[in-house]
Amino acid sequence: NAGVTQTPKFRVLKTGQSMTLLCAQDMNHEYMYWYRQDPGMGLRLIHYSVGEGTTAKGEVPDGYNVSRLKKQNFLLGLESAAPSQTSVYFCASSRGVSNQPQHFGDGTRLSIL
Amino acid sequence: QQQVKQSPQSLIVQKGGISIINCAYENTAFDYFPWYQQFPGKGPALLIAIRPDVSEKKEGRFTISFNKSAKQFSLHIMDSQPGDSATYFCAAGYNAGNNRKLIWGLGTSLAVNP
Repeated sequence: NAGVTQTPKFRVLKTGQSMTLLCAQDMNHEYMYWYRQDPGMGLRLIHYSVGEGTTAKGEVPDGYNVSRLKKQNFLLGLESAAPSQTSVYFCASSRGVSNQPQHFGDGTRLSIL
Repeated sequence: QQQVKQSPQSLIVQKGGISIINCAYENTAFDYFPWYQQFPGKGPALLIAIRPDVSEKKEGRFTISFNKSAKQFSLHIMDSQPGDSATYFCAAGYNAGNNRKLIWGLGTSLAVNP
């Protein structure tokens, strides 16, 4: 079982460049999430989606956009990358009912120079 | 307060010892308390979870102790093994309108020495 797959695993960008991180899940989960993880700051929620075609802002949404055109995919976009966006990005998904565990991908390590 | 305070930030334990990680919260609306385990290069994975109507839950060597009156919960790892070396996150879930939300602690890096 693939679970949650994130693409790419590593990427280096220059300041001002744009890119899209792809998350795909094969568990038919309703909810999907994008987090960033920085040393000493735990997991911070960027955006999330409670269903196909819906998105919502999380704790740190500035500088990011998301889209959920298909239930199985959740895309995270950086329109103009900044060094402060250097981080490890995790995607997660969960069933759309109360207290279901979030299933995480293995992350995308992004460096902005 | 929508915060979960986790301590310690890092922990070193000898093989066979007990690892204890603590979390505290203020919001009484929290009704679900999971612990996640994260190995280097991997995403977090659910380890064990508890609801506030029970004071303790045990799964193998892992136990959650929950103190509702003190608004604290903790993870105990008995007979700690080098393979338990990982980062552990506590979290707390609550209803936010029509959605469920999860508030995360900042994590504890556990190293178990052989």
